[in-house]
Amino acid sequence: DGGITQSPKYLFRKEGQNVTLSCEQNLNHDAMYWYRQDPGQGLRLIYYSQIVNDFQKGDIAEGYSVSREKKESFPLTVTSAQKNPTAFYLCASSIFLAGAETQYFGPGTRLLVL
Amino acid sequence: AQTVTQSQPEMSVQEAETVTLSCTYDTSESDYYLFWYKQPPSRQMILVIRQEAYKQQNATENRFSVNFQKAAKSFSLKISDSQLGDAAMYFCAYRSDGNQFYFGTGTSLTVIP
Repeated sequence: DGGITQSPKYLFRKEGQNVTLSCEQNLNHDAMYWYRQDPGQGLRLIYYSQIVNDFQKGDIAEGYSVSREKKESFPLTVTSAQKNPTAFYLCASSIFLAGAETQYFGPGTRLLVL
Repeated sequence: AQTVTQSQPEMSVQEAETVTLSCTYDTSESDYYLFWYKQPPSRQMILVIRQEAYKQQNATENRFSVNFQKAAKSFSLKISDSQLGDAAMYFCAYRSDGNQFYFGTGTSLTVIP
């Protein structure tokens, strides 16, 4: 089955700890994105990547880092510098193809601080 | 940066009736895409419908249709014959020329049996 997978579904972080959220897609999509969703605030862009080994900051990149070593994978690390990481995190991908510019989403990861 | 505004935080509709969700956006681009996504309690984002700005014809997908007014920068979603399974958060989204997506804050739709 083609799609986007995110793991884990739930993640707990201790104070001062870095944690990494996984995002994998087998859709052969060029672009991948990370969003943060807080209640009443919709989706806010953290980072996005349009090709391998390249990525750009979104609106709320502080306290987060990413890598794009493979087309299929776009992991997000929540660092200890992110003081309020509790949120729902969504990964998405899209393809650069005329008539097919649509973003598809993974099932999400809920991050909670202990 | 582009902005997307959904002015209705909550809406309700009687089962089998029709409801319209509003969305406006701000942009200086001439070529772009607009989307409506549905997020049920499972929190999986599901594409409902999309519209290319260069197309004058409004998009339709079964019971879902849009009213796209390019000059007014308005993109409303109409749900006909509402069903209990339509209850969800609905997000309007804009895709820019640079392949960035911008989302509104969402409208929570309740369907009353």
